[in-house]
Amino acid sequence: DTAVSQTPKYLVTQMGNDKSIKCEQNLGHDTMYWYKQDSKKFLKIMFSYNNKELIINETVPNRFSPKSPDKAHLNLHINSLELGDSAVYFCASSQEVQRGPQETQYFGPGTRLLVL
Amino acid sequence: QKEVEQNSGPLSVPEGAIASLNCTYSDRVSQSFFWYRQYSGKSPELIMSIYSNGDKEDGRFTAQLNKASQYVSLLIRDSQPRDSATYLCAAGGLYNFNKFYFGSGTKLNVKP
Repeated sequence: DTAVSQTPKYLVTQMGNDKSIKCEQNLGHDTMYWYKQDSKKFLKIMFSYNNKELIINETVPNRFSPKSPDKAHLNLHINSLELGDSAVYFCASSQEVQRGPQETQYFGPGTRLLVL
Repeated sequence: QKEVEQNSGPLSVPEGAIASLNCTYSDRVSQSFFWYRQYSGKSPELIMSIYSNGDKEDGRFTAQLNKASQYVSLLIRDSQPRDSATYLCAAGGLYNFNKFYFGSGTKLNVKP
């Protein structure tokens, strides 16, 4: 069974469209994340939710809106897609962190988005 | 200045040799460090985590942490062609909701 899953795996769309990516984890984790990995392999945090509450919100255009219907799901909706949004988007999850050392993050397979 | 820096490589080593991957970080409050391996077209997978100064060994992998020098390394002994991948270093700080800063990765090629 896949621990962290994402759909779709590939997404090719036109500029200006709106699209969503879905993520689900069956690890029982409380915290989920969205990352963007660009063509140079740089992996950058976008958002994080802890038990449905937004806790990390990096400097991301407001065209990107995360939604967490429950702690096992974190979706990413992107409005008015631009060429620069082309990248691989990874979902990840971890145990909840209150204080102290950070917890390992487990990644989903990624969604390869290409905006034409 | 980037929070976590790695040499992008590629680092080429012959099969059976020791591969040494290095990472420096700029945030003195970073407390937790992780090495992830990422094969081309795949997602990052955890190799090792390290929280205390010194060495931590797991099979052919050894992570080394020096907080005074803000330096983390990963040694891979008896390198195999299957170790060829990009290795990502990540650092996390205290009280920042598990926010990781990733380096851009070092590409390792192990030649048979």
